Amino acid sequence: GAVVSQHPSRVICKSGTSVKIECRSLDFQATTMFWYRQFPKKSLMLMATSNEGSKATYEQGVEKDKFLINHASLTLSTLTVTSAHPEDSSFYICSARPLGTAKYGYTFGSGTRLTVV
Amino acid sequence: AQSVTQLDSQVPVFEEAPVELRCNYSSSVSVYLFWYVQYPNQGLQLLLKYLSGSTLVKGINGFEAEFNKSQTSFHLRKPSVHISDTAEYFCAVTEDGNKLVFGAGTILRVKS
Repeated sequence: GAVVSQHPSRVICKSGTSVKIECRSLDFQATTMFWYRQFPKKSLMLMATSNEGSKATYEQGVEKDKFLINHASLTLSTLTVTSAHPEDSSFYICSARPLGTAKYGYTFGSGTRLTVV
Repeated sequence: AQSVTQLDSQVPVFEEAPVELRCNYSSSVSVYLFWYVQYPNQGLQLLLKYLSGSTLVKGINGFEAEFNKSQTSFHLRKPSVHISDTAEYFCAVTEDGNKLVFGAGTILRVKS
């Protein structure tokens, strides 16, 4: 079945540094990937839609210069949290939709726990 | 705009008892509905989805859900729960097949 790999699963970084999170579709191609943020004991909030070969579409209130998204190939999207601060600490999850299959088949990665100290 | 309401933040239930997790949605157009399960520090796993057709949808792990258009509901049920079903469950909706809007989640706690 469709598998999405997200790396790293956990990362601790110092305030002011940048962190890159990778989302890979292992056995399918995905023109579209989605990045979510989940606050403690809260639901998932869509941050942006990542489109292969073009700019990401950010949701209202999400800083595009803060959360850089790159979707350079049909199997890889990256989210870079730039100049991270403690308030960026959260659980980040990506999802992907296989190309050419049922339109609503979203597969999620296992998430990345980011802690900024 | 679409929205999802999960009426219960936590549902405690004894092992082997039945359970229902409630989900109501709001939308002005046809929607597609999903239930996902999340175990601690993990991503989301699809339990089941409703796209069209039969309003009773069967999913993995013995779960099922019924789409009720008149009540704008998509409640999740399982006739007999196991300890391993302890997790957080999210109802989600999409109108356009792109943006998924999630409910706040319901924590199911199965007690022995």
